[in-house]
Amino acid sequence: ILNVEQSPQSLHVQEGDSTNFTCSFPSSNFYALHWYRWETAKSPEALFVMTLNGDEKKKGRISATLNTKEGYSYLYIKGSQPEDSATYLCACRYNTDKLIFGTGTRLQVFP
Amino acid sequence: DGGITQSPKYLFRKEGQNVTLSCEQNLNHDAMYWYRQDPGQGLRLIYYSQIVNDFQKGDIAEGYSVSREKKESFPLTVTSAQKNPTAFYLCASSPRGNTEAFFGQGTRLTVV
Repeated sequence: ILNVEQSPQSLHVQEGDSTNFTCSFPSSNFYALHWYRWETAKSPEALFVMTLNGDEKKKGRISATLNTKEGYSYLYIKGSQPEDSATYLCACRYNTDKLIFGTGTRLQVFP
Repeated sequence: DGGITQSPKYLFRKEGQNVTLSCEQNLNHDAMYWYRQDPGQGLRLIYYSQIVNDFQKGDIAEGYSVSREKKESFPLTVTSAQKNPTAFYLCASSPRGNTEAFFGQGTRLTVV
């Protein structure tokens, strides 16, 4: 079983705070790293797909980095807003199209 | 509209009965996936399929079966051999390669 781990499990921050989460994964046969945002009562939606060591991607106030050699990725949210409250999932795709998810980080942003 | 559809949203079954969850996509995606979520846990992979007429076991395949007779459809059967079937089931699809997956709305199965 391939273990993808995320930390912290949950996070409570004030509006305006910046925050970050970690995803660690086995780097053997690694193909791609995905980040998803999952709001309550909705389906998960993709934020980023990254493949190369050193990749950095940004979408508005959210950005992510990837280190495939040591097997980790960071997701950053700058100036958190209440609408950022959601569960953030990372997933690793391995070379057989197998897509393995971490346990998620549940973020709550208080006004 | 293009998308991935799971039905029904809520499903109740008696213990000992098999039940089949539907997943259909019109996105022309090759790969399809079934995940299970339990309270406080992440998405665990049950089965996945890369192409029609082929599928592989995920991490928790025991007590489940799937078929992939058509590209658009990947139904999941929860058999009576699955010891703890009550859970939220999520289906996803994606093109092959380095692209994102798209998810259905999920089916919440309760076995009583």
